[in-house]
Amino acid sequence: GENVEQHPSTLSVQEGDSAVIKCTYSDSASNYFPWYKQELGKGPQLIIDIRSNVGEKKDQRIAVTLNKTAKHFSLHITETQPEDSAVYFCAASNQGGSEKLVFGKGMKLTVNP
Amino acid sequence: EPEVTQTPSHQVTQMGQEVILRCVPISNHLYFYWYRQILGQKVEFLVSFYNNEISEKSEIFDDQFSVERPDGSNFTLKIRSTKLEDSAMYFCASNSGGGNQPQHFGDGTRLSIL
Repeated sequence: GENVEQHPSTLSVQEGDSAVIKCTYSDSASNYFPWYKQELGKGPQLIIDIRSNVGEKKDQRIAVTLNKTAKHFSLHITETQPEDSAVYFCAASNQGGSEKLVFGKGMKLTVNP
Repeated sequence: EPEVTQTPSHQVTQMGQEVILRCVPISNHLYFYWYRQILGQKVEFLVSFYNNEISEKSEIFDDQFSVERPDGSNFTLKIRSTKLEDSAMYFCASNSGGGNQPQHFGDGTRLSIL
């Protein structure tokens, strides 16, 4: 089955810096890659997603890239702000197949003011 | 913005007791999911549900687990005889389905088994 690896597990940056989170997946049938942000005491909140027919997607300060050949995808956050501090999860699924999300272990991002 | 709601936020139960976790998915959604997250570990898929039946379940979802949509709005997860290792955050999610639709999560129920 699918296995998603995520790194680093923690990242601390200064406000205004960029942050990059990288994930790899194992199942070439996976075609949908969402990113979730989880704040303390809350459930995962979808922040951006990308499908396998697209190589890059951007939404304001957030961008995601996908390399299907290498089976990896990344989340880029620019101009980080303290409110970006949270745990970020990548996930993969085979939409049209199982549709269950397989998650990475998460990365705790701390943005220092 | 519509959201998935879960109750209770925290459930404490004695080992061996039955527990029911409740979820109200987004109203026009058709596909429903349960995930769990043991402290410090990955979010893990438990079960998906569509058209009043289970679509898929993981190895974790054994005979002690069941799901039900008792009415037009609620979606429940029942654990018949809880074990210590069932202690975790349980998240409900829903989407409008048909592929290519993102899953929206509730804030979870923290289940503590004593």
